[in-house]
Amino acid sequence: EVQLVQSGAEVKKPGESLKISCKGTGYSFTTYWIAWVRQMPGKGLEWMGVIYPGDSDTSYTPSFEGQVTISADKSISTAFLQLSSLKASDTAMYYCARRAGAFDVWGQGTMVTVSS
Amino acid sequence: DIQMTQSPSSLSASVGDRVTITCRASQGISSYLAWYQQKPGKVPKLLISAASTLPSGVPSRFSGSGSGTDFTLTISSLQPEDVATYYCQKYNSAPHTFGQGTKLEIK
Repeated sequence: EVQLVQSGAEVKKPGESLKISCKGTGYSFTTYWIAWVRQMPGKGLEWMGVIYPGDSDTSYTPSFEGQVTISADKSISTAFLQLSSLKASDTAMYYCARRAGAFDVWGQGTMVTVSS
Repeated sequence: DIQMTQSPSSLSASVGDRVTITCRASQGISSYLAWYQQKPGKVPKLLISAASTLPSGVPSRFSGSGSGTDFTLTISSLQPEDVATYYCQKYNSAPHTFGQGTKLEIK
């Protein structure tokens, strides 16, 4: 079974950093792009960026570029989303998704809460 | 960047109704259009890809059409379990922008 399994919920203070993981199983991890999607409470889906684990080629949407870092370690079939200098407005659910054309497999989501 | 605009933003319909949601791209995207269903508190689920292709397991009451800039998602006979927010997404090239969503409720 193809699965993406994300790391657990996080509670952070403003100014802290965070790295969320997304482990792919049941398929060839290096041959599919992995995207990251943000969903703020009660809001819609926002595409943040994407990585090709085979060569770590990345692309970000302008509103997230410089604010987040997407990486991957193909030796452990895991993609990462790093958020730095966290603000309360970073409080959201973060999803990873496999891009097979459309996003056919999604992780279960990682809830990030930023609060002092 | 190409913008994706859905209408309506919310919709209330009765069980058995035919429901249509539209999605417009600010530039042509051929048929690189997906629809997702997100039920309350759940993970988004791929409903339609390539504008009109249903993945295995998606009920046949769902259908998609369109190409270029204008697309539609149709539910032929609304069921109670279809209560969800529906998103369109372009995926021809990055950024793979989502529409703002259409919240569907039962009247």
